[in-house]
Amino acid sequence: NAGVTQTPKFQVLKTGQSMTLQCAQDMNHEYMSWYRQDPGMGLRLIHYSVGAGITDQGEVPNGYNVSRSTTEDFPLRLLSAAPSQTSVYFCASSRGLAGGRETQYFGPGTRLLVL
Amino acid sequence: KNQVEQSPQSLIILEGKNCTLQCNYTVSPFSNLRWYKQDTGRGPVSLTIMTFSENTKSNGRYTATLDADTKQSSLHITASQLSDSASYICVVRVQMDSNYQLIWGAGTKLIIKP
Repeated sequence: NAGVTQTPKFQVLKTGQSMTLQCAQDMNHEYMSWYRQDPGMGLRLIHYSVGAGITDQGEVPNGYNVSRSTTEDFPLRLLSAAPSQTSVYFCASSRGLAGGRETQYFGPGTRLLVL
Repeated sequence: KNQVEQSPQSLIILEGKNCTLQCNYTVSPFSNLRWYKQDTGRGPVSLTIMTFSENTKSNGRYTATLDADTKQSSLHITASQLSDSASYICVVRVQMDSNYQLIWGAGTKLIIKP
């Protein structure tokens, strides 16, 4: 099992550009989430999905879109990048609801710099 | 306001020594508390999870305690190793009607020196 994979590992964007952060898992998990991690702060939930075709907003969804066409993939789209979106982005998956008894597995992260 | 605060912000200890990391939370209603280890440049990895009725949970050299009355948790690392150098994050789950929210602490950065 590869677990949770994310691409790219690093990305530099100019303000206004768009891009898609890829996330895939091979554990057949129903639940997937996107977080951002900023210095001195806890992880913040951007969007999450409870299964293929079902997504919902987290704490900080503005400027981001998601879709879930398959169980395996959960891409995160930045519509028009802003310097405030400079962060490290983590994708996570779990068999059950995140935060319950089921363990949440995290990808290695994507480091994004917006100039 | 639901909050999770961790202390210290950073800690340096010598290899072989013990240490204790603290997590204080002001969330309600409490569902569970989890400790994660995050190596530099990697995603968080779960160490332990504790519910309201669990006071202590061990995972090898890691022992987590929970005092639900005072809303405090601690993570004790015994006989530290260089590989323990990482950030340790406390996360509390809050039940909100039919939904839930995870409140993440900012973490404690632990450095083990040889």
